Amino acid sequence: RKEVEQDPGPFNVPEGATVAFNCTYSNSASQSFFWYRQDCRKEPKLLMSVYSSGNEDGRFTAQLNRASQYISLLIRDSKLSDSATYLCVVKEISGGGADGLTFGKGTHLIIQP
Amino acid sequence: EPEVTQTPSHQVTQMGQEVILRCVPISNHLYFYWYRQILGQKVEFLVSFYNNEISEKSEIFDDQFSVERPDGSNFTLKIRSTKLEDSAMYFCASSTTKAGNTIYFGEGSWLTVV
Repeated sequence: RKEVEQDPGPFNVPEGATVAFNCTYSNSASQSFFWYRQDCRKEPKLLMSVYSSGNEDGRFTAQLNRASQYISLLIRDSKLSDSATYLCVVKEISGGGADGLTFGKGTHLIIQP
Repeated sequence: EPEVTQTPSHQVTQMGQEVILRCVPISNHLYFYWYRQILGQKVEFLVSFYNNEISEKSEIFDDQFSVERPDGSNFTLKIRSTKLEDSAMYFCASSTTKAGNTIYFGEGSWLTVV
């Protein structure tokens, strides 16, 4: 059974702080990794892909540890608009039921002024 | 920016009724998907569709569900004999490839079964 586990939070952090989320996945055959953002009652939107070498997009940094099956997201200088639920998402290797994305339940982030 | 559009945005239906949720994927996309999210739960994959046939389906997508692409633009999800536990947000998505980083989601159709 494919599982993606996340701390549900909520994480309450002051504006300007740095916050980190973690995620673990159970299927070692997972091929691709992503962080999505979901606002309340809205659709998931891709925040960034996660690569083995780690990658950065502005204030956001993602890391992948394949050996530990662990993914992280770091948000620096957090803004009020960062308040949302952050979804850890994995995709299996092609074939054998792998078309779909497997979502974690998400980590709820609240940025306080 | 091109977008996936879904109708209706919200539908209330009586238990046992049939529901059709409609989606217009992004025009040059080739892969189409339905996901659902029960309130407070995670987003779950239902089915993928490519080249006018189902490509993959999850264990959730049983005989109660069907998908169709009746013309060149619409992609529909039919739920027969709805149950209370079918109440959820249903998201349509489309992509140019199977890679996860090309998937775009619609705003969702909120289904309430009473």
